[in-house]
Amino acid sequence: SQELEQSPQSLIVQEGKNLTINCTSSKTLYGLYWYKQKYGEGLIFLMMLQKGGEEKSHEKITAKLDEKKQQSSLHITASQPSHAGIYLCGADIRNAGNMLTFGGGTRLMVKP
Amino acid sequence: EPEVTQTPSHQVTQMGQEVILRCVPISNHLYFYWYRQILGQKVEFLVSFYNNEISEKSEIFDDQFSVERPDGSNFTLKIRSTKLEDSAMYFCASISQPRGVAGELFFGEGSRLTVL
Repeated sequence: SQELEQSPQSLIVQEGKNLTINCTSSKTLYGLYWYKQKYGEGLIFLMMLQKGGEEKSHEKITAKLDEKKQQSSLHITASQPSHAGIYLCGADIRNAGNMLTFGGGTRLMVKP
Repeated sequence: EPEVTQTPSHQVTQMGQEVILRCVPISNHLYFYWYRQILGQKVEFLVSFYNNEISEKSEIFDDQFSVERPDGSNFTLKIRSTKLEDSAMYFCASISQPRGVAGELFFGEGSRLTVL
């Protein structure tokens, strides 16, 4: 089984709609990172969560780590075309610092 | 805003040739990483580096790979004899936090390696 699973794999939403992307592990997430990647380009750091129940927001993006530290969600409010891209979660599941295991990514398209 | 810079952005090489990918981490960062992403696949950890030595490495990071910090600013990944399966986007990353303390791990734009 996959160590870190993201869902959905792809998502098409109408501009202005809210959406949620999930990242789930069977192991404890000692550190959970969210990145945005445009196709063929680098990873843009969005947020990092470490404590169970932690929630962080930046502009219209909110990320949460559940109390058990095995699932994280990324929520975008009132989506815009600029939010389009691939969202990746990366996690430290070995308590080894920043040796991250990544999920398969969620490809988001926002229709104007 | 400080950033991790990588060169070249794209390199095409013949199988068996040596390749060096270069990275300039953020200036006050002390921990450096290489990751790679084969087209259509997940981002994978290769190696971490601190205090001029490898901290951890994955199974992918075999004897064909090496890393070096030749001066105070550059961090390089060398592939000694490239294989077709080495074709991928290689990402450098850096962080200021010590091992075991999560912090903001910043990635560069990547170097796309194509092995023919």
